[in-house]
Amino acid sequence: GAVVSQHPSWVICKSGTSVKIECRSLDFQATTMFWYRQFPKQSLMLMATSNEGSKATYEQGVEKDKFLINHASLTLSTLTVTSAHPEDSSFYICSARNSRDSPHNEQFFGPGTRLTVL
Amino acid sequence: AQSVTQLGSHVSVSEGALVLLRCNYSSSVPPYLFWYVQYPNQGLQLLLKYTSAATLVKGINGFEAEFKKSETSFHLTKPSAHMSDAAEYFCAVSEAGGGNKLTFGTGTQLKVEL
Repeated sequence: GAVVSQHPSWVICKSGTSVKIECRSLDFQATTMFWYRQFPKQSLMLMATSNEGSKATYEQGVEKDKFLINHASLTLSTLTVTSAHPEDSSFYICSARNSRDSPHNEQFFGPGTRLTVL
Repeated sequence: AQSVTQLGSHVSVSEGALVLLRCNYSSSVPPYLFWYVQYPNQGLQLLLKYTSAATLVKGINGFEAEFKKSETSFHLTKPSAHMSDAAEYFCAVSEAGGGNKLTFGTGTQLKVEL
């Protein structure tokens, strides 16, 4: 149980285009989803937290107009990188939890999406 | 505020040797503590967690960790390393109580040599 998927697993795009990444909880209802960014050989940096049906809460320094997050259902959240540039190239990881079933704040992670902007 | 410090960005052990990965935390309230493992180009998998019950926590793949409040530590150990244990390991902390986010350490790359 507690499986989270991401799609696509990797994407290459041209500078200036927008890219959408999907995060799905396959066997549980995710009341909260998180989006992280990970640079090579570094730790995970939380970008934003989204609760189903609410606007995402962004961490300091993360541009909300650049990284659009939608959490329209209990099993799906999307991250759209708008007008992507080479510096947006990174490994993006989502995680999810059901706050009722995860009283200790445990998060279940997706496999990640490798974004390369040319 | 909460934070995690992982001493040693790289640890190398021989196959069959003891694995010890260090994690110290800082939290103004009782913490929940986690160890996650990440294999190349993959997401994170939970190894074990401390949630204020038993201080010695056993996880998957033979790993365990001991919560020591006096030392503010939560070190990860495994008696005998296996080649398949080679990966990146992250310690994370969350404040006790629901709805709180995780703060990750910088990670420790474990290398297992023959």
